[in-house]
Amino acid sequence: EPEVTQTPSHQVTQMGQEVILRCVPISNHLYFYWYRQILGQKVEFLVSFYNNEISEKSEIFDDQFSVERPDGSNFTLKIRSTKLEDSAMYFCASSARQPTNEKLFFGSGTQLSVL
Amino acid sequence: AQKITQTQPGMFVQEKEAVTLDCTYDTSDPSYGLFWYKQPSSGEMIFLIYQGSYDQQNATEGRYSLNFQKARKSANLVISASQLGDSAMYFCAMREGGTSGTYKYIFGTGTRLKVLA
Repeated sequence: EPEVTQTPSHQVTQMGQEVILRCVPISNHLYFYWYRQILGQKVEFLVSFYNNEISEKSEIFDDQFSVERPDGSNFTLKIRSTKLEDSAMYFCASSARQPTNEKLFFGSGTQLSVL
Repeated sequence: AQKITQTQPGMFVQEKEAVTLDCTYDTSDPSYGLFWYKQPSSGEMIFLIYQGSYDQQNATEGRYSLNFQKARKSANLVISASQLGDSAMYFCAMREGGTSGTYKYIFGTGTRLKVLA
């Protein structure tokens, strides 16, 4: 089965530093998402992306966050100045929006630790 | 208001028994989809089953079935013949149309299932 790939699997950074989390969605998918999960709790929606622009974003996705699809395959999440509370597992996901099963495919996640 | 509610933070089930994980949802969108994902201790999110709002029959995928009661807005997951490997966190999720015409997926708080030998 096709996979969403995320790198790195773990990222440790100092508070105030910028981080970029990388994702390669499934190649024929059109819709891309970032979610985060703090300490195995609720999976929280951050942002959705379609046609090279943000479609939806949550209140979590403030000015410190940005997303980009720089080359037609990669999909990145940038956090400009990390805070301690940004420590979480970040999941990238993609979907094809088929009429009968809009299954969301998840990557294996990047565990971000902000010190 | 919660869009997806999972009222069972934790559940135990004996191996080989069936278990039902509850999920209720709230939406005014006539077209929506309901999903269950499994998250083992390794952290990945594994798709289990999908139910569309217009589907007439309950979805089934192997040992997983979704008990879809549209009038009650519930989408409970039934796992038959539980196995030790079923021990994991289970998330119910709903897809509804976003404001820009794209989909938005919302997750519940999860139910941690422990299968006992």
